[in-house]
Amino acid sequence: GQNIDQPTEMTATEGAIVQINCTYQTSGFNGLFWYQQHAGEAPTFLSYNVLDGLEEKGRFSSFLSRSKGYSYLLLKELQMKDSASYLCAVRDRGYNKLIFGAGTRLAVHP
Amino acid sequence: DTEVTQTPKHLVMGMTNKKSLKCEQHMGHRAMYWYKQKAKKPPELMFVYSYEKLSINESVPSRFSPECPNSSLLNLHLHALQPEDSALYLCASSQRPGPDNQPQHFGDGTRLSIL
Repeated sequence: GQNIDQPTEMTATEGAIVQINCTYQTSGFNGLFWYQQHAGEAPTFLSYNVLDGLEEKGRFSSFLSRSKGYSYLLLKELQMKDSASYLCAVRDRGYNKLIFGAGTRLAVHP
Repeated sequence: DTEVTQTPKHLVMGMTNKKSLKCEQHMGHRAMYWYKQKAKKPPELMFVYSYEKLSINESVPSRFSPECPNSSLLNLHLHALQPEDSALYLCASSQRPGPDNQPQHFGDGTRLSIL
């Protein structure tokens, strides 16, 4: 079956660093995406990993270990506007199909 | 604002009505998607179109009928919906159907309420 696990909720302080973990068990794997979604808005693309290792993009970094079925999203220098849901999504071997995790609701407080 | 435009933003309809949701993108993307998202849940894939042809139907009830008139437009025709169909309907597009690093770009969605 297809299973993607993320923590349901996390809280962090403005200016701090937070790591959001994602573990997956899927029948196929052709890449892992992280999306940010503010309440009532569209998901927006943050990062993509298909090979093992770290991808860095400004304040956001994402890591992948295919052998462990594990990824994390690292957010640095947290800002209040980073309060949102963060969705981990695995692209199945069908290429077009994204399987989303339930999302992690992050609350950043002063 | 996103580069994928969905109309209407909100729709309230009765169970006997027929309505359509529209999605448009002008990024030259050749893969387009419909997702359904319930509150505090992740998006669930409904349909995928690749080069204007339906390539994935995730066992969606026939009261939802997708249509791709051309490479820029995607419609979702609704008929005889049930109250449990109330949700946010998201359209997305990606450059091409294939294993590359191009993400799916989402529209802001249509919030649908069935009375």
